[in-house]
Order: sequence, then structure tokens, then C-alpha cells
Amino acid sequence: DAKTTQPTSMDCAEGRAANLPCNHSTISGNEYVYWYRQIHSQGPQYIIHGLKNNETNEMASLIITEDRKSSTLILPHATLRDTAVYYCIVRASPANAGKSTFGDGTTLTVKP
Amino acid sequence: SQTIHQWPATLVQPVGSPLSLECTVEGTSNPNLYWYRQAAGRGLQLLFYSVGIGQISSEVPQNLSASRPQDRQFILSSKKLLLSDSGFYLCAWNRGSTDTQYFGPGTRLTVL
Repeated sequence: DAKTTQPTSMDCAEGRAANLPCNHSTISGNEYVYWYRQIHSQGPQYIIHGLKNNETNEMASLIITEDRKSSTLILPHATLRDTAVYYCIVRASPANAGKSTFGDGTTLTVKP
Repeated sequence: SQTIHQWPATLVQPVGSPLSLECTVEGTSNPNLYWYRQAAGRGLQLLFYSVGIGQISSEVPQNLSASRPQDRQFILSSKKLLLSDSGFYLCAWNRGSTDTQYFGPGTRLTVL
């Protein structure tokens, strides 16, 4: 799996959009970009994933650059409950064993 | 719907004692199963994964072992715990044809 680079921490005002960047310059053609988040002392929660097209679901939007070397997770209207560590990982799919170690992620703090 | 259970939620054990953590998945069959460990403030390190009963792959050499005695049961064990085994242990599953992982609530292990 390709390595990803994320900022260590970010702040966002409540009600504003939170834009979390991720660099994955060594991504290969069959690898997907996945985003998870982990609220303190809980298991990570799946948010969204994509291959090359932008994706949107009820939680977030994922914007992937045309060269696929970076992506941005967008939480359109951040709330205090969105405070969490956000992990960007790259993984080939389908895979019988999605072997990935999650990096340190970005700690997003949403402030009132 | 599928659910994943882990127990116990928290555990305090002396150095040199044995360990057994259990993970079970409901509502699916033949899942891929994973054990991760998370040190405080860090990302997730993949320890073991399994694609079927009795099939275990180890990602890192360590003091721990894993077993899969039944299709939806994954056990993490140690014969003698070390201080460095302390951490937050997470079990996860996914289907063979997709890579989205679903995580359990985790077990916080403290070795004294």
C-alpha cells in the first residue's frame, strides 16, 4: 500500500467546512483512497472512499486530484461531534486481506 | 445487520501473566478478521489478519499470537505479557470483495 502524509492537527470553527488534506504521491492505479475517523477511545469509523472520481455521502465529500497524488476530505458543516482523529489510507481493492497500518492521522478539533 | 463484539473492554494484567482477548462478528459469514494495536496518541499497527478458519498471518514479530477457531471468532493471546504489550487493541472485519473495514469497540490493556 502507498504511504500517506497528513498534517498532525487542524482546527475548525463549528458550522464551517473542515478540509482535511492527504498526500499519497506514490499511489498506484488500482489503489483506492479511504478515510476513517476515530473518536477518543472508540474503534475507527469508515467515512468514505474513492478511486479517481469525487465522491459524496451523508457524512462527507472526497475530492481526489486528477493525478491522484493527493485528496481532501470535506466535512461541509463541522459540529463539535466531528472532533476526532482522521486517517487517510491507501489500499488496493478488492483484496482478500486489506493489510494496512493506519498512520498517525490528523487530529481535527472543532471549536464553538 | 452485522455487528462486531470485543471483550473485555478494559483489562489490567501483571507482567508475565497470560492474555486472551476475544472478538466475534455476527451477521456475516467468512469475514476477513484483523487485530490491531494502538499506542497512546498514535495510529493503528496491524498485528494479525485471517482470511479463514485456522489461517493466520502475522505482520510483525512479537510476544502475541492469534487464532481463529471458528468462522466468526478471532482470539488474541499471549503466554507471558510484557510491559510493552500495553495498548488499545482493536478487532476489525471486512468482506472479501470489499475493503471497507468495520471496527469493534476495542480493549484497553494495561500491563503493570
